Amino acid sequence: GESVGLHLPTLSVQEGDNSIINCAYSNSASDYFIWYKQESGKGPQFIIDIRSNMDKRQGQRVTVLLNKTVKHLSLQIAATQPGDSAVYFCAENVGGSQGNLIFGKGTKLSVKP
Amino acid sequence: EAGVVQSPRYKIIEKKQPVAFWCNPISGHNTLYWYLQNLGQGPELLIRYENEEAVDDSQLPKDRFSAERLKGVDSTLKIQPAELGDSAVYLCASSPGGTGELFFGEGSRLTVL
Repeated sequence: GESVGLHLPTLSVQEGDNSIINCAYSNSASDYFIWYKQESGKGPQFIIDIRSNMDKRQGQRVTVLLNKTVKHLSLQIAATQPGDSAVYFCAENVGGSQGNLIFGKGTKLSVKP
Repeated sequence: EAGVVQSPRYKIIEKKQPVAFWCNPISGHNTLYWYLQNLGQGPELLIRYENEEAVDDSQLPKDRFSAERLKGVDSTLKIQPAELGDSAVYLCASSPGGTGELFFGEGSRLTVL
């Protein structure tokens, strides 16, 4: 399939290592954040979300950290696997319950076996 | 449970021709979105529906793009006439409403020659 990773920041990690993908968001009033994973030729797939009243949330092998002071979001993937290779997007909800998700530019994660 | 279904998956047309994309959201999801994704970029919102009402179409280029969701379920997105710059992936997403996860379809990839 066609790569959606052209011109994207790229992170290359060794299989089994931990990955950290960073995202700077733009709106200090954003109240909800999501990380999506997008494999080549597919639609974005939900990974994990976090609301603005939290600073950390853990899922299975993934952790999201939110620093509202500097408007920074990070996704940590433990024991990265080849199947984690994809483009990762952070998205922020702007406008509360009637708002829209605004996506960042994405980071391409490549996992070396 | 079936996810968001889009068709066609791929479409190749010549410039100035019309094209239409169809989306069937997840059953019970009142909110439906159309996003545009250019190569190497994150999805950008075109239009959001709450049931049959378009509540945000501020980013939809209305001179050539139109959308409808007549019965508050399926939706179509039309481009007439298509231009070379419209080549992209058109993503449909749905959600139960309010702030939360969006569920994306696989997308319709348009190539305008």
